[in-house]
Amino acid sequence: DTAVSQTPKYLVTQMGNDKSIKCEQNLGHDTMYWYKQDSKKFLKIMFSYNNKELIINETVPNRFSPKSPDKAHLNLHINSLELGDSAVYFCASSSHAPSATHQPQHFGDGTRLSIL
Amino acid sequence: EDKVVQSPLSLVVHEGDTVTLNCSYEVTNFRSLLWYKQEKKAPTFLFMLTSSGIEKKSGRLSSILDKKELFSILNITATQTGDSAVYLCAVVADGNNNDMRFGAGTRLTVKP
Repeated sequence: DTAVSQTPKYLVTQMGNDKSIKCEQNLGHDTMYWYKQDSKKFLKIMFSYNNKELIINETVPNRFSPKSPDKAHLNLHINSLELGDSAVYFCASSSHAPSATHQPQHFGDGTRLSIL
Repeated sequence: EDKVVQSPLSLVVHEGDTVTLNCSYEVTNFRSLLWYKQEKKAPTFLFMLTSSGIEKKSGRLSSILDKKELFSILNITATQTGDSAVYLCAVVADGNNNDMRFGAGTRLTVKP
């Protein structure tokens, strides 16, 4: 009954590989996010999706591409992995009403990506 | 560019102590400020503050926002070892589609 679930929890791979991280939420939220948390614990927004539309895209390399097959899923694909991609990636979701007070985001447990 | 600055970056106290964590921000069209607690895994939501001067409380934790001076504090009284975590502050601005800008966090260690 986990609200926001990510798979895998750990991912160890070599430079140059392509990998995907999956995220699913069962909260009925309409907006999902991906964050990157570096070794200093700094959480930075990468993407968010609302109603299948990308609405935030920070200065993230185009090797990273979010894919949302439906409102409950937002997967993160990473091509040509680099050493600097090593981090913990968090998925989150929230309900989004533009004219109303926003709701807190709920986070998944994170995926620790290690590049060898 | 929006900025969220937390202080101190780390803090070590003993059980029973009271701690105050600070979060200052510069953001255009401020909407709300949130506090999260992160232990080993997912950040968990603590408080959301939108109005100045209204204290939010949950057990030994409380938080207040000052929109004039652009900061918030998170207080923890009678600390316990289970309070050891990284405490994250984030702000949301109008027009950013719920985008949260996080501070670097305060790592709190509570010793027995």
